[in-house]
Amino acid sequence: GAVVSQHPSWVICKSGTSVKIECRSLDFQATTMFWYRQFPKQSLMLMATSNEGSKATYEQGVEKDKFLINHASLTLSTLTVTSAHPEDSSFYICSAPVVRTYEQYFGPGTRLTVT
Amino acid sequence: DQQVKQNSPSLSVQEGRISILNCDYTNSMFDYFLWYKKYPAEGPTFLISISSIKDKNEDGRFTVFLNKSAKHLSLHIVPSQPGDSAVYFCAASALGGTSYGKLTFGQGTILTVHP
Repeated sequence: GAVVSQHPSWVICKSGTSVKIECRSLDFQATTMFWYRQFPKQSLMLMATSNEGSKATYEQGVEKDKFLINHASLTLSTLTVTSAHPEDSSFYICSAPVVRTYEQYFGPGTRLTVT
Repeated sequence: DQQVKQNSPSLSVQEGRISILNCDYTNSMFDYFLWYKKYPAEGPTFLISISSIKDKNEDGRFTVFLNKSAKHLSLHIVPSQPGDSAVYFCAASALGGTSYGKLTFGQGTILTVHP
């Protein structure tokens, strides 16, 4: 099946710094990718939709200036957490849908810890 | 507003028996439903899905039932195996438009299958 990778798998950073997370579709092209966030023992919450060649669309309540999304190519989307704070610590997961289907392939996730 | 709900946070089943995981939704625009399996610190893995034009879909040990009038779906695993122990997420999607491909997840149910 299709493979989606994320890098890094985990990262620790200090408050105030920025962290970039990469999401790659390895064997298929993805004009759209989704970014989710999961808190411990909670559901996956959709943060934003990353669109290749255009601006990302953010879900209500998600700060656009804090979570910068860039869909640089048909196989790469990046999420940058700017000026990170401890409350940004979470598990971030990306996914890429298979075109014209409802199936999505998820990356393995990135554990972000802000100290 | 939780549009997809999994009211049972956990389920414990004996090996060989049936596991039934339930999911309710409120948004009548949802017309495609998916079940994902997730291990800690990993991305979700697609299990099985069902379109709203069907009421049952079967794939090996996994069967998903959809009751549109009740806005309820369930995942049956028969027979349950210890390797099935994981968190199971129900997800829903709406056809077309700007919601195409966006998934709304339930809170998840932790399934434990005892040998």
